[in-house]
Amino acid sequence: EVQLLESGGGLVQPGGSLRLSCVASGFTFSSYAMSWARQAPGKGLEWVSGIVTGGGSTYYADSVKGRFTISRDYSRNTLYLQMNSLRVEDTAVYYCAKERYRTSLKGGTDYWGQGTLVTVSS
Amino acid sequence: SSVLTQPPSVSVAPGKTATITCGGNNIGSKSVHWYQQKPGQAPVLVVYDDRDRPSGIPARFSGSNSGNTATLTISRVEAGDEADYYCQVWDTISDPFYVFGTGTKVTVL
Repeated sequence: EVQLLESGGGLVQPGGSLRLSCVASGFTFSSYAMSWARQAPGKGLEWVSGIVTGGGSTYYADSVKGRFTISRDYSRNTLYLQMNSLRVEDTAVYYCAKERYRTSLKGGTDYWGQGTLVTVSS
Repeated sequence: SSVLTQPPSVSVAPGKTATITCGGNNIGSKSVHWYQQKPGQAPVLVVYDDRDRPSGIPARFSGSNSGNTATLTISRVEAGDEADYYCQVWDTISDPFYVFGTGTKVTVL
């Protein structure tokens, strides 16, 4: 059974940093691209970032480019999202997600974690 | 960047057919994926690559895509289908990224 367990969310002040983690199990982590998506309270889904296998090409939404960094540790089966210079508008539930493809993010996302809440507020 | 427009809400009686559209410029040239999200839960992939269904998704869920509109059709709607539905494409016009549709709330009457 595929499981994605996010952690690291919490309350942070504007301008602060957080690192989200996602431990993956139930599939070969090294064989699939991965993504982060988010959902602000009462709002729709927004894709945040993705990373493929192999050379690890990374992709970002314009709204987080230059502030967020996605990475993965194959030895720990863990996906990360380093979030810096956080803004009030980054407040959301952040989901870790497994992509259907190995070296591409265009095939859709077939498994999602339950999410971790990030609140940016003073 | 691409904008994917969905109707905010669709209401349907049990046993009838719900049709959810996703409009975007030349969306027919892209692969469209659809997600179902129930309150307080993570999204679930219900259709990928325009019309394919993951294992475990009932055949009542079907998709199509042509021109500027992609469509998710839910046949013989059940109470358990009440949820928010989002379309998604991989956009490569500029820097590549995923874009989600605006979302549609399906209400079963």
